[in-house]
Amino acid sequence: QSVLTQPPSVSGAPGQRVTISCTGSSSNLGAGYDVHWYRHLRGTAPKVLIYTNTNRPSGVPDRFSGSKSGTSASLAITGLQAEDEAEYYCQSYDSSLRGWVFGGGTKLTVL
Amino acid sequence: EVQLVESGGGLVQPGRSLRLSCAVSGFTFDDYAMHWVRQAPGKGLEWVSGISWNSGSRGYADSVKGRFTISRDNGKNSLYLQMNSLKPEDTALYYCAKDGSGVLVGNWFDPWGQGTLVTVSS
Repeated sequence: QSVLTQPPSVSGAPGQRVTISCTGSSSNLGAGYDVHWYRHLRGTAPKVLIYTNTNRPSGVPDRFSGSKSGTSASLAITGLQAEDEAEYYCQSYDSSLRGWVFGGGTKLTVL
Repeated sequence: EVQLVESGGGLVQPGRSLRLSCAVSGFTFDDYAMHWVRQAPGKGLEWVSGISWNSGSRGYADSVKGRFTISRDNGKNSLYLQMNSLKPEDTALYYCAKDGSGVLVGNWFDPWGQGTLVTVSS
């Protein structure tokens, strides 16, 4: 059971928009700690997509966007492409655990 | 180009020890905090440990506290993870990652290495 809750899977057709939710609690997202999002293909280096809630590193397309409100956050992907298939993780800091926590991961399938 | 290269993984028996290393290049190592993150087979990402730029602050996941020790050598641009009393549940791909700043304040991790595999089995 992960401290941050994500749906195990989402799917969408090419060109569509999908969102991935990340639900935390009063000791992490609700305490004001930032959320970060990563894209991961198993066995390779995870890559940051969104940092500090809404910021995109250079090189990440503007099809990816993030938001945060209270104890929840979301990653939105528009204009789905086949190469978007991967696992996506949210991450934050938890004051009760005194460490970083990840969501359980969401597998994105492009139909 | 920023590079993080992990090494030291392998097959080890339960109860034994292993030391992982992460050699970094392409950025000023002693400006940044560093972390270890692992992924067990079929599982998600799990933060293991983090260390501030000057080793003044260290943190550990409850699952490894008291068994693992994180350290760094800024003169050698290297990060380490000493793993003692290893358990089968420590079997995972271990990644090192660079923090967004020098202190442990909830920043993101970027970039990450490719990982080194640790298998704990008799």
